[in-house]
Amino acid sequence: DAKTTQPPSMDCAEGRAANLPCNHSTISGNEYVYWYRQIHSQGPQYIIHGLKNNETNEMASLIITEDRKSSTLILPHATLRDTAVYYCIVRVGNNAGNMLTFGGGTRLMVKP
Amino acid sequence: NAGVMQNPRHLVRRRGQEARLRCSPMKGHSHVYWYRQLPEEGLKFMVYLQKENIIDESGMPKERFSAEFPKEGPSILRIQQVVRGDSAAYFCASSQQGDGYTFGSGTRLTVV
Repeated sequence: DAKTTQPPSMDCAEGRAANLPCNHSTISGNEYVYWYRQIHSQGPQYIIHGLKNNETNEMASLIITEDRKSSTLILPHATLRDTAVYYCIVRVGNNAGNMLTFGGGTRLMVKP
Repeated sequence: NAGVMQNPRHLVRRRGQEARLRCSPMKGHSHVYWYRQLPEEGLKFMVYLQKENIIDESGMPKERFSAEFPKEGPSILRIQQVVRGDSAAYFCASSQQGDGYTFGSGTRLTVV
């Protein structure tokens, strides 16, 4: 799986949009971009994933650049409960046999 | 539909004892993954199992650690003769072909 690069930490004001960047310059054509988050002491939680089109669900939006070398996770109205470590992971397909490999992630702190 | 169930949530063992961690996957999921998270570190893959088979154990320590996923019952991660360095959070995830991972809440092992 391709490696990803994320800033180690970010701050965001409550109610504002949180934009979390991820670089994956060596991504292959069959690799998806996944985002998970881990709220303190809990198990990782799936947020969203995409291949090349932008995606949106009830939790977040995922913007993938046209060359697919980077992406941004957007939390449109961050709340204090969004404080967590956010992991950007690239993975071949959605095959059960392809393990998720977690890097260091971005520690997002949402402040009042 | 219950999520991934792990028990116990907290486990305290003395050095040299055995630790058994249990994971019941989501209904309909036949793929189970174990991850370990040492204090202040990221999640590291340990082992991937399907019913009655170990598919990938490349992340398992060579000694004292074993895992199984029997035809009936939960998956078990077993640590023999625990040492203080085994103190960590152990997370289990499950999936079915074509689905993403769903993680449990973890078992926090403390070796005293």
